[in-house]
Amino acid sequence: GIQVEQSPPDLILQEGANSTLRCNFSDSVNNLQWFHQNPWGQLINLFYIPSGTKQNGRLSATTVATERYSLLYISSSQTTDSGVYFCAGYSGGGADGLTFGKGTHLIIQP
Amino acid sequence: DTGVSQNPRHKITKRGQNVTFRCDPISEHNRLYWYRQTLGQGPEFLTYFQNEAQLEKSRLLSDRFSAERPKGSFSTLEIQRTEQGDSAMYLCASSFWADQPQHFGDGTRLSIL
Repeated sequence: GIQVEQSPPDLILQEGANSTLRCNFSDSVNNLQWFHQNPWGQLINLFYIPSGTKQNGRLSATTVATERYSLLYISSSQTTDSGVYFCAGYSGGGADGLTFGKGTHLIIQP
Repeated sequence: DTGVSQNPRHKITKRGQNVTFRCDPISEHNRLYWYRQTLGQGPEFLTYFQNEAQLEKSRLLSDRFSAERPKGSFSTLEIQRTEQGDSAMYLCASSFWADQPQHFGDGTRLSIL
């Protein structure tokens, strides 16, 4: 199966700062998703983005499929953005489950 | 779209007991997935169904784990003879088709005493 690496593992920022989270894949993917896991453990869908760029409010994501990486941008951070951000991919053919990275633990300080 | 529903939210049981979790997917979603998440890790894929057919179960952690989706709607995950190492969050997700986004439920947190 594919390998998923996320960086940085931890990030501490002040409210209002911008950040970029990165996800590298060992192989091409048919499905790539970004999630936010809040302190209560809920996995919130942020983006479904196997290729291209999408934006949703202060968040945007870009996937460069040919180079096997994806980036998540968070602008004007708020304390409610704190939590763990996961990317996950599925390469197709085989198990069909998403393979998750280990996540980026983001703390936004007031 | 009422979202993926999982019950119970929390389960505390003694080692050696059997436990069963339920997942109700988003209606009309053909695919249903089970994952396990341990502390500090990302979710780990266990098994999935397309309608009522279980198409992948080699990732189930041991023969103590089994899953069903009898009528292609809700699914259950059973763990027999629970062990301390089974303590984790068990997550269910559904999607309309293979390459479509997966939507996750809030999970069932299992604690083994």
